[in-house]
Amino acid sequence: SQELEQSPQSLIVQEGKNLTINCTSSKTLYGLYWYKQKYGEGLIFLMMLQKGGEEKSHEKITAKLDEKKQQSSLHITASQPSHAGIYLCGAGGNAGNNRKLIWGLGTSLAVNP
Amino acid sequence: DAGITQSPRYKITETGRQVTLMCHQTWSHSYMFWYRQDLGHGLRLIYYSAAADITDKGEVPDGYVVSRSKTENFPLTLESATRSQTSVYFCASSGSRARESPLSYEQYFGPGTRLTVT
Repeated sequence: SQELEQSPQSLIVQEGKNLTINCTSSKTLYGLYWYKQKYGEGLIFLMMLQKGGEEKSHEKITAKLDEKKQQSSLHITASQPSHAGIYLCGAGGNAGNNRKLIWGLGTSLAVNP
Repeated sequence: DAGITQSPRYKITETGRQVTLMCHQTWSHSYMFWYRQDLGHGLRLIYYSAAADITDKGEVPDGYVVSRSKTENFPLTLESATRSQTSVYFCASSGSRARESPLSYEQYFGPGTRLTVT
């Protein structure tokens, strides 16, 4: 069965620093979704990538999907305390039905002021 | 615009009791999902529903029952709660964002229900 591996598991950065979170699969990803979860709350949708080589940005967060569609990265530029939380990637593993998503275990991010 | 809501937000129950967690969405999304989130396991799909009266098992369905008589509601019932079902439960819904991509099926999550079984 397909699994999504996220790295690193946790990250502590100083405010203003850049950081990257990775999400890797052994199989082709059909729709890669990035979410953010604040502690004790629900998941907030950030971005969705579908095409190999695709890149999307929102404010200071940029997500990329590699050409093989097996790895995605989430890059935060000039981190702020508001970026703290758990980042999860989810992906559809079936070309015919990517409604059902599999999920990585998450990357916990702390940003020190 | 309430979006997707879950109730109760917190619940403590005893082993063997029946518990129902409620989920309600106002978007008329066709798909709805129930997940549990546990440390070390991440998000695991319990059940999902493609439309009213259509439900299917996810990864960890044992011990749970769902129904969907109306598009907007998707209750999850623990028939006889066990300690291993202590978890945070999330409901999510999904439509299709045809104006951006017909294949973009992002899920929108409720705030979660923290269930403790003693």
